Amino acid sequence: AQSVAQPEDQVNVAEGNPLTVKCTYSVSGNPYLFWYVQYPNRGLQFLLKYITGDNLVKGSYGFEAEFNKSQTSFHLKKPSALVSDSALYFCAVRDMTTDSWGKLQFGAGTQVVVTP
Amino acid sequence: DAGITQSPRHKVTETGTPVTLRCHQTENHRYMYWYRQDPGHGLRLIHYSYGVKDTDKGEVSDGYSVSRSKTEDFLLTLESATSSQTSVYFCAIRTKMNTEAFFGQGTRLTVV
Repeated sequence: AQSVAQPEDQVNVAEGNPLTVKCTYSVSGNPYLFWYVQYPNRGLQFLLKYITGDNLVKGSYGFEAEFNKSQTSFHLKKPSALVSDSALYFCAVRDMTTDSWGKLQFGAGTQVVVTP
Repeated sequence: DAGITQSPRHKVTETGTPVTLRCHQTENHRYMYWYRQDPGHGLRLIHYSYGVKDTDKGEVSDGYSVSRSKTEDFLLTLESATSSQTSVYFCAIRTKMNTEAFFGQGTRLTVV
């Protein structure tokens, strides 16, 4: 079975400071990893993904994430946070070895609050 | 929004009544999914479809059924709504297997 852990319910950061949102995963096979962002009363927006290749993945709005196979982590990072980055962030995993239908397992989400 | 429309966007219903939520896509993608979002649980998969009349159960399928009679429409039915089904429901599509899913705007359902 696959699972995703986002250990922090909320991350607080001052505008201009680096932002990190943590994600660890567990799959029996090889993972596909995703980050999504949700603004209030909106659907989920795709930020970035890791399928294969370079462990550092760059995505939308200046976000990036690093895949670490040995630590089974996929932390989301942004060098300089903006107030507009305040939102709910979800990490998701798909086990590409056992899943044939693109089913995603989501973490519980991390609320990011960026203060001016 | 990747051409996904969910309806209704908001609904309040009484316990024991049937409810149907609709997901409509405009681009004939094969794979469609229904998730529910609850605080502390993230999103959990209810049902999914990999083609017309081809559907299967997800992680939290009890109390829900789905139908897909046309490529563009994926319906989620709560046969007899319960308060535990109060949630925000999201439809998602996938263009190809090894790509990201795109989500609709969600339907907020309240069962009273």
